[in-house]
Amino acid sequence: QKEVEQNSGPLSVPEGAIASLNCTYSDRVSQSFFWYRQYSGKSPELIMSIYSNGDKEDGRFTAQLNKASQYVSLLIRDSQPSDSATYLCAVDFTGGGNKLTFGTGTQLKVEL
Amino acid sequence: GAVVSQHPSRVICKSGTSVKIECRSLDFQATTMFWYRQFPKQSLMLMATSNEGSKATYEQGVEKDKFLINHASLTLSTLTVTSAHPEDSSFYICSAPHKQGSYEQYFGPGTRLTVT
Repeated sequence: QKEVEQNSGPLSVPEGAIASLNCTYSDRVSQSFFWYRQYSGKSPELIMSIYSNGDKEDGRFTAQLNKASQYVSLLIRDSQPSDSATYLCAVDFTGGGNKLTFGTGTQLKVEL
Repeated sequence: GAVVSQHPSRVICKSGTSVKIECRSLDFQATTMFWYRQFPKQSLMLMATSNEGSKATYEQGVEKDKFLINHASLTLSTLTVTSAHPEDSSFYICSAPHKQGSYEQYFGPGTRLTVT
């Protein structure tokens, strides 16, 4: 069974610090990777997508992908209290069919 | 970003009744939509893929006769939970890719179903 693994946390970081969120997945041939943010009681919101090895930056967010290690991460620079949420890693194991398998999420707490 | 709406946002129903949840893409057409379910403290689990003009594709373990999906137009998919029971109480969320062939999915705001 194809799986997506995340540390449930909570991960606590001080305001202004870099938060690093990690995700591993079980299928080496996966091509599409996504990070979603979910506030309590709300639906997920897409933050980043990444398809190629290396880094992809968007504002304060950087996604990093290493397919050889089956590892994808999300860095949040200058963390703000409003970044406090659960971050879900999602992988499309089907290769273009949009069927996402989600990890259980990492809860991030940004403290003042 | 793309806008996906759901209605209702919350519903409470009695055990044995049926509940219909609507998912609409507001500014784009979606030939495919997805229905997820999320129990408290758990991640999203894909229930089924809704295909416009054809039958839905259900994930293993999801009862197609209990969770009826209809995708009658390019902007509307509905999920009907039939003969609901308390164990069906959950957060139901739909999603759609913004562009045909896009790998990025946008989620609706979700529907909180409570079965008493």
